[in-house]
Amino acid sequence: DGGITQSPKYLFRKEGQNVTLSCEQNLNHDAMYWYRQDPGQGLRLIYYSQIVNDFQKGDIAEGYSVSREKKESFPLTVTSAQKNPTAFYLCASQQGTGANVLTFGAGSRLTVL
Amino acid sequence: KNQVEQSPQSLIILEGKNCTLQCNYTVSPFSNLRWYKQDTGRGPVSLTIMTFSENTKSNGRYTATLDADTKQSSLHITASQLSDSASYICVVRDGNNRLAFGKGNQVVVIP
Repeated sequence: DGGITQSPKYLFRKEGQNVTLSCEQNLNHDAMYWYRQDPGQGLRLIYYSQIVNDFQKGDIAEGYSVSREKKESFPLTVTSAQKNPTAFYLCASQQGTGANVLTFGAGSRLTVL
Repeated sequence: KNQVEQSPQSLIILEGKNCTLQCNYTVSPFSNLRWYKQDTGRGPVSLTIMTFSENTKSNGRYTATLDADTKQSSLHITASQLSDSASYICVVRDGNNRLAFGKGNQVVVIP
């Protein structure tokens, strides 16, 4: 089955620790995205990548970092510089741009203790 | 700033009843509008896409409408089922390929 796999589903970390969320897709999509979802808010774009070895900051990139070394992989690192990291993180991919639909992963819920 | 406003924020409906969700946007220039369904703890899944020239589009028991003049869209759920309990998110794409997300309509269907 083609799709996007995010891991882990749930993650707990202590303040001051970095954590990396995995996102893998086998859809052969060019573009990949990371969104953050908080209760009562719309999805907010963290980072996106339209091609391997290239990525751009979204609206809330501070405290986050990404890499795109392979077409199918787009990991997100939540660093200790992120002031309020507890959230639900969604990875998505898209074939090309424009009207094409975003395909989302199942999400990763990060809780900072 | 492109904005998408959805109403009502949440609603509870009886199984078998109909409901309508609203989406108003200020996105310009407009490219397209999608409705996504997001089950609790899962990623959103696309239900339907509306372009400027389309007024109505159906996907099973889901019917979306678009009035590009008033910048309003609605999603109508017919004969609701328990599995319709979810958040429904309106997403508008502008002419610069940027997406604006609504906060979602939280629907709870009770037996």
